[in-house]
Amino acid sequence: GAVVSQHPSWVICKSGTSVKIECRSLDFQATTMFWYRQFPKQSLMLMATSNEGSKATYEQGVEKDKFLINHASLTLSTLTVTSAHPEDSSFYICSALRDRGNEQYFGPGTRLTVT
Amino acid sequence: AQSVTQLGSHVSVSEGALVLLRCNYSSSVPPYLFWYVQYPNQGLQLLLKYTTGATLVKGINGFEAEFKKSETSFHLTKPSAHMSDAAEYFCAVSDLSDEKLTFGTGTRLTIIP
Repeated sequence: GAVVSQHPSWVICKSGTSVKIECRSLDFQATTMFWYRQFPKQSLMLMATSNEGSKATYEQGVEKDKFLINHASLTLSTLTVTSAHPEDSSFYICSALRDRGNEQYFGPGTRLTVT
Repeated sequence: AQSVTQLGSHVSVSEGALVLLRCNYSSSVPPYLFWYVQYPNQGLQLLLKYTTGATLVKGINGFEAEFKKSETSFHLTKPSAHMSDAAEYFCAVSDLSDEKLTFGTGTRLTIIP
């Protein structure tokens, strides 16, 4: 099966610092990766769509300068939360799409806590 | 625009009883429909999906769902609940145009011993 990993699985950072989260497709090349945010006991909200070699497409209301997404290769996308604040604390989940019309494979998530 | 409604944020069933989790959707185009399961502090695992063809879809762990276009529903069922089924379940819809998934608010399933 297709495996997607995320690193780190959890991170605690101080307010004002930046945090980078990696999403890797381990055994397939992902044409597209997605980044979601999940608040406690709530659903997943799509933040942005990331295509290899091009700029990410952000959903309405998501600050692109705060949530920097880089999709440098077909197996790696990164999300950098810049100048993090406590309200950015959340569970961040990525998914990878192998081919168009195929299913999304989800990573295990990264729990970010900003103090 | 697409949307998903999951009736019942919490569902409790006895071990061995029927599991029924409800999902209704709205979509302006023929939808692709999904059910995902999420265990605590983990990502999502696909249970089953409907794209085209047979409207009764069988998934993993004994779950199945039926696409009913006339009712715009895609309810998830399992004949006999197991303790390991306790988790959060999400229904989702997408179309082929952009592959984006729109999730419902989720249903937390509790299994009573």
